[in-house]
Amino acid sequence: DTGVSQNPRHKITKRGQNVTFRCDPISEHNRLYWYRQTLGQGPEFLTYFQNEAQLEKSRLLSDRFSAERPKGSFSTLEIQRTEQGDSAMYLCASSFGLDTIYFGEGSWLTVV
Amino acid sequence: EDKVVQSPLSLVVHEGDTVTLNCSYEVTNFRSLLWYKQEKKAPTFLFMLTSSGIEKKSGRLSSILDKKELFSILNITATQTGDSAIYLCAVGFGNEKLTFGTGTRLTIIP
Repeated sequence: DTGVSQNPRHKITKRGQNVTFRCDPISEHNRLYWYRQTLGQGPEFLTYFQNEAQLEKSRLLSDRFSAERPKGSFSTLEIQRTEQGDSAMYLCASSFGLDTIYFGEGSWLTVV
Repeated sequence: EDKVVQSPLSLVVHEGDTVTLNCSYEVTNFRSLLWYKQEKKAPTFLFMLTSSGIEKKSGRLSSILDKKELFSILNITATQTGDSAIYLCAVGFGNEKLTFGTGTRLTIIP
């Protein structure tokens, strides 16, 4: 499978715990994006990378959220001290330059 | 602030019907409008539109953009139960940041 890969697909965590999601983009894609989607809403932009550089962050990305793409390939999104409001599907996507963005299957987070 | 509005929010039709989904937008520095289909998981790409008046087609699906009136439509002819999904419209400057609408939930009754 050469699509965008995310894991874990589902995560249930207790409030206050830290969680980390991983995204492996399509191999030749230099841009990588993180979005968050809650029930009944469209995806909301969180941040994006061009190669290893994080070029834009949404104000939705509080200081409890951090994203990295250390070698310009895979990326991680970490949420520290999770809150119930963090429960959502976290979507990773990738593109080559300004071409079409392709999404991964998403990582569902439930904070209890 | 950039805004994308989709209508209707929900639509139920019988198999074989034709449907039209609407997307209007207010964004600065428009570059492209994209349509995605979402079935319980990640959005899958349908179309990217950058120029007014040029229809894009893929099988029974087609879409067109009007940059003067700031809207796009997605048409699906001869609908099938497999077309049941949420259809998302997104607009962006380049592709750095897409602003999505809330989607139209389409249900096809056999």
